Amino acid sequence: AQTVTQSQPEMSVQEAETVTLSCTYDTSESDYYLFWYKQPPSRQMILVIRQEAYKQQNATENRFSVNFQKAAKSFSLKISDSQLGDAAMYFCAYRSAPAFGNEKLTFGTGTRLTIIP
Amino acid sequence: NAGVTQTPKFQVLKTGQSMTLQCAQDMNHNSMYWYRQDPGMGLRLIYYSASEGTTDKGEVPNGYNVSRLNKREFSLRLESAAPSQTSVYFCASSERVAGGPLRETQYFGPGTRLLVL
Repeated sequence: AQTVTQSQPEMSVQEAETVTLSCTYDTSESDYYLFWYKQPPSRQMILVIRQEAYKQQNATENRFSVNFQKAAKSFSLKISDSQLGDAAMYFCAYRSAPAFGNEKLTFGTGTRLTIIP
Repeated sequence: NAGVTQTPKFQVLKTGQSMTLQCAQDMNHNSMYWYRQDPGMGLRLIYYSASEGTTDKGEVPNGYNVSRLNKREFSLRLESAAPSQTSVYFCASSERVAGGPLRETQYFGPGTRLLVL
């Protein structure tokens, strides 16, 4: 079974600065997908960014980028130019490669990010 | 386009009572999921439905039943609520295209907060 570990329960960053959230995972599979989800106080889960394991290029979405190290099984999220609206709980998630009926996401325990004005 | 909607937003039950959590999506997605989120833990999959008419157990199915009523709706039922089922419940959906590229992203509803006394 796959496991996802987020070792930083809480992080804080000054507004406009850069912060990196860590995520490691354990799997014996070679093909899979990784995600970062954001959960603001409204509790809704919002997709931030995703990475396909077969792609060597790191995914980017505006101010959000990942550092995907497949050999090290590491998938960190970098938030540049932090904004007050980035304050939320961030979850790293893993799912296996496409297979009918096998679409389960495995989540880490989350990192609470605080933005300091 | 409302995405994924859940009702109710909040519910208080007494031990032994039953209730059904409703979920609907208007994105014409084939796959739907129910997760629970407990403090200090990531989301855990309760049940999922890969397509209309099919359901499968996830990581924590005990004490729950589900019904995939049609392509849009996926309900979660607690037959005899227990305090251990106090949690926030999330419904999600994702797209699967037969024979084509699978869209991996799961879209989440706003959550239902359930308190069992």
